[in-house]
Amino acid sequence: DVKVTQSSRYLVKRTGEKVFLECVQDMDHENMFWYRQDPGLGLRLIYFSYDVKMKEKGDIPEGYSVSREKKERFSLILESASTNQTSMYLCASSSLWTELAKNIQYFGAGTRLSVL
Amino acid sequence: LAKTTQPISMDSYEGQEVNITCSHNNIATNDYITWYQQFPSQGPRFIIQGYKTKVTNEVASLFIPADRKSSTLSLPRVSLSDTAVYYCLVGPISSGSARQLTFGSGTQLTVLP
Repeated sequence: DVKVTQSSRYLVKRTGEKVFLECVQDMDHENMFWYRQDPGLGLRLIYFSYDVKMKEKGDIPEGYSVSREKKERFSLILESASTNQTSMYLCASSSLWTELAKNIQYFGAGTRLSVL
Repeated sequence: LAKTTQPISMDSYEGQEVNITCSHNNIATNDYITWYQQFPSQGPRFIIQGYKTKVTNEVASLFIPADRKSSTLSLPRVSLSDTAVYYCLVGPISSGSARQLTFGSGTQLTVLP
């Protein structure tokens, strides 16, 4: 089974702190994604990466950056955390090359971040 | 971008068949329709995917009419454990950009005893 692991289930940070959310996948997937999930708004794409060191903005990239130095790891960075970034953050990965798996994303369990 | 619209919530009873419809009026020719299931405190999980007509697997069936402007996820004989949020996703399979992938707002299905 594909496994997508997010480093923390819960995080509490203070306004202005730099926050790193880490995600690791074990299936050699090319694509990796970061979403945030808020009540009533569903999943919104923050950033995605289709290869090492490659990234593309999603729908709500403001206030976030990402890093992908290795294929299996995708980090989401909040340069200066703010209270409106309190949310559930979900990481996902997908394969470009497996016929049946194209466009099927595998999600981690999520990190619930609270910014105080 | 193909925007999707789903009912916010639905209730059902154990043993019933549940149909959840997703509208995607501006679906593009190369878009596929994918459904995910999400339990509390977990990430979404892939259920089923289709392009046209009907697709069935061990979990659900997906019905897509000829005009492809909507799709219906059908869950046979639901149980309490099917209580979850169901998301409809429309986007191209061989995409060069994930911005073409659009999640709906999700449908909260509650199965009652």
